Amino acid sequence: GESVGLHLPTLSVQEGDNSIINCAYSNSASDYFIWYKQESGKGPQFIIDIRSNMDKRQGQRVTVLLNKTVKHLSLQIAATQPGDSAVYFCAEFLANAGGTSYGKLTFGQGTILTVHP
Amino acid sequence: ETGVTQTPRHLVMGMTNKKSLKCEQHLGHNAMYWYKQSAKKPLELMFVYNFKEQTENNSVPSRFSPECPNSSHLFLHLHTLQPEDSALYLCASSQDFSWTSGEREQFFGPGTRLTVL
Repeated sequence: GESVGLHLPTLSVQEGDNSIINCAYSNSASDYFIWYKQESGKGPQFIIDIRSNMDKRQGQRVTVLLNKTVKHLSLQIAATQPGDSAVYFCAEFLANAGGTSYGKLTFGQGTILTVHP
Repeated sequence: ETGVTQTPRHLVMGMTNKKSLKCEQHLGHNAMYWYKQSAKKPLELMFVYNFKEQTENNSVPSRFSPECPNSSHLFLHLHTLQPEDSALYLCASSQDFSWTSGEREQFFGPGTRLTVL
């Protein structure tokens, strides 16, 4: 069935290193993808999104790469800082063309990123 | 602070109780959402309201009853819940619920940690 999953449940990096968080998806019809960050005791925070017709999008210290050939999404964080420690979720959105619904948003389970000073 | 507040932050209730969760957004947004976040499952979208009208109900049991009296307030009424309903319930808002527009970013509240005994 349709699913969004993460390759690694945990990732530990040293401060200053670059981090790469991966996500696999199975629905090639998804319209776009979103990355969220969730710190302990807080709700998810939008980081960046990317449309399915793009393969790369950059934000502040973050880059999202989309490889539709292998149905893979990644989030790259440059110069990772202790404040980046959190759970990172990817999500995919499939618009429901012609239907009464606005579409379906599916989340992955999340990757725990730990940044060591 | 994201501009989305939720009360209470923690709630313990018995299976025969009736309680309500409240969400308020101060961002002037038109769309509001309820999500459920369990320890062992990905984030699940429950309900969507756009301009006070419910547009999504993702097969949520009737023991969860949403209410959106205006664009700034969203409630989740709970009755005869089950222990498996224990989870973090998150509220979010966005400018609107138009996935083709640029206003896709959702702002989440801190959540209500619900425990059903």
